[in-house]
Amino acid sequence: GESVGLHLPTLSVQEGDNSIINCAYSNSASDYFIWYKQESGKGPQFIIDIRSNMDKRQGQRVTVLLNKTVKHLSLQIAATQPGDSAVYFCAENSGGSNYKLTFGKGTLLTVNP
Amino acid sequence: GAGVSQSPSNKVTEKGKDVELRCDPISGHTALYWYRQRLGQGLEFLIYFQGNSAPDKSGLPSDRFSAERTGESVSTLTIQRTQQEDSAVYLCASSPVMVGELFFGEGSRLTVL
Repeated sequence: GESVGLHLPTLSVQEGDNSIINCAYSNSASDYFIWYKQESGKGPQFIIDIRSNMDKRQGQRVTVLLNKTVKHLSLQIAATQPGDSAVYFCAENSGGSNYKLTFGKGTLLTVNP
Repeated sequence: GAGVSQSPSNKVTEKGKDVELRCDPISGHTALYWYRQRLGQGLEFLIYFQGNSAPDKSGLPSDRFSAERTGESVSTLTIQRTQQEDSAVYLCASSPVMVGELFFGEGSRLTVL
């Protein structure tokens, strides 16, 4: 079936470095994508979203890139801080009026001071 | 508070008992979701409520699971005759629109002994 997956289950970076978290999706009908951050013991927190009519969107220290040709999504975090340590999930909405978000398994980002 | 509120935050129960989990969505949010998150896994869709429309129950794993929502407010997720494999964090989310950002609660951690 259709699924959202992640290339790297864990990522360890040094404080101040840039982080890139990748996500592959298989449903070509997906037209809305979200990145969530989940800290230990908490619910997922929205970071940034992007619709399929865009290939890049920037927020504060974060950038999401969407490559529809290869069905790939990435989250870039600039100047990573210890507070960025968390599990990051990408999620997709599989098109049209489909309200269900399908989540990947997540990537654990660890920021070393 | 202004966020999604879930209770209890932690529930330990014996196999075979029934449990009820409660979710108070953000006021004015018409859409409400329940997701399940097993340890180290992504989020698994369970059920979706939108206004007064019939809920989408397609993600409920068995007939032991049921959920209700009173209008556009409180929702309860009920698990009957709990099994050990029901142990997980149950996350509730609400949204002001049908397709868009979900606002998650902190979750209810269920442990079935």
